[in-house]
Amino acid sequence: AQSVSQHNHHVILSEAASLELGCNYSYGGTVNLFWYVQYPGQHLQLLLKYFSGDPLVKGIKGFEAEFIKSKFSFNLRKPSVQWSDTAEYFCAVLEGNYGQNFVFGPGTRLSVLP
Amino acid sequence: DAGVIQSPRHEVTEMGQEVTLRCKPISGHNSLFWYRQTMMRGLELLIYFNNNVPIDDSGMPEDRFSAKMPNASFSTLKIQPSEPRDSAVYFCASTPPTLFRGQSYEQYFGPGTRLTVT
Repeated sequence: AQSVSQHNHHVILSEAASLELGCNYSYGGTVNLFWYVQYPGQHLQLLLKYFSGDPLVKGIKGFEAEFIKSKFSFNLRKPSVQWSDTAEYFCAVLEGNYGQNFVFGPGTRLSVLP
Repeated sequence: DAGVIQSPRHEVTEMGQEVTLRCKPISGHNSLFWYRQTMMRGLELLIYFNNNVPIDDSGMPEDRFSAKMPNASFSTLKIQPSEPRDSAVYFCASTPPTLFRGQSYEQYFGPGTRLTVT
């Protein structure tokens, strides 16, 4: 069965630090990849997604992610975090082009210190 | 578009009582998902529907949980009887139909229902 792992449970950074959150998945076929963000007390919102084409995907709020097929990875990056980026971040994988089998990672909590 | 709508937003109930959570997906979406989120287990998929038909309910924890989707614009998740370990935030999400090869969509999440069972 498909699985998604996220490298860190909790990341603590100071403002202006660079961020990279790891995400790896297990499925070897065609995948669609997503990063969601959940701000405290709120629902999940889409940050960015990859379906095909350029493996470097840019999302909202200065986030980007790179799909490396050979490494089964889709790491999330931001060059300079802000206090308002404090949230939980979820990586998700959708197998194939027609399926609805979304699999979410366990999440990484990011705390940005002012 | 109003987005995915869930009600109630908060529910506090006593152990043994029946709880019904409601979800209205985005108009035109044909897949609907129910998730449970807790600190211990993270985000768990409970069940999902495609065109009102349950496709995968393997995540439903036990017979106390049931879900229905009587039409394209409404779904319920029922817990009967409820137990304290059911306390969690329950999210509903929906996706549009996959019409073309290579075209997939992200899930659109509702605001969630925070359930507390005492």
